[in-house]
Amino acid sequence: GQQLNQSPQSMFIQEGEDVSMNCTSSSIFNTWLWYKQDPGEGPVLLIALYKAGELTSNGRLTAQFGITRKDSFLNISASIPSDVGIYFCAGLLYGQNFVFGPGTRLSVLP
Amino acid sequence: GAVVSQHPSRVICKSGTSVKIECRSLDFQATTMFWYRQFPKQSLMLMATSNEGSKATYEQGVEKDKFLINHASLTLSTLTVTSAHPEDSSFYICSARPVAGVVYEQYFGPGTRLTVT
Repeated sequence: GQQLNQSPQSMFIQEGEDVSMNCTSSSIFNTWLWYKQDPGEGPVLLIALYKAGELTSNGRLTAQFGITRKDSFLNISASIPSDVGIYFCAGLLYGQNFVFGPGTRLSVLP
Repeated sequence: GAVVSQHPSRVICKSGTSVKIECRSLDFQATTMFWYRQFPKQSLMLMATSNEGSKATYEQGVEKDKFLINHASLTLSTLTVTSAHPEDSSFYICSARPVAGVVYEQYFGPGTRLTVT
């Protein structure tokens, strides 16, 4: 079945630094989504991307839908302590269910 | 808006007993609800998709007789783990897609942590 890879698996950064993470797949998707999950909570949608090449921002977050439709990246600028959590990418191919990546665990050091 | 609740948030049960988890969409109607399972430090794995008034569709490898799903109304779906065993211990998360929602739209509940002793 379809699988997503996320890198890095985990990262430790200083408060104020920018963060970049990506998600890759061997198959194409029609929609890419980025979620954040806090410990013991359900995921919350951050950004949804609908077409290849699309670049979308949500506050300090920016995400892009790769031209090949097989990848996406998420950037967080000027990180703050509340950015701590697990970031999941998810791909959606029409007519099929979501596929979630394994997540990138972000820790922000004060 | 678009709030999904789950009850209970945590449950501990003895091996061999059954546990019911509720998923409710509080401020919208959901034709479709999804049930996921998440092991520690792992991703979400879709278990089943339930549509109001019809039988759930289970993913490959998920035992339908063990994980009973009922979606009796547009705001409530339940997952019953029957004859639970320690290996069923996990974090169970539901999500709901609004009736008029687009295909990617789903709102997640806060999850239920099940521990089977």
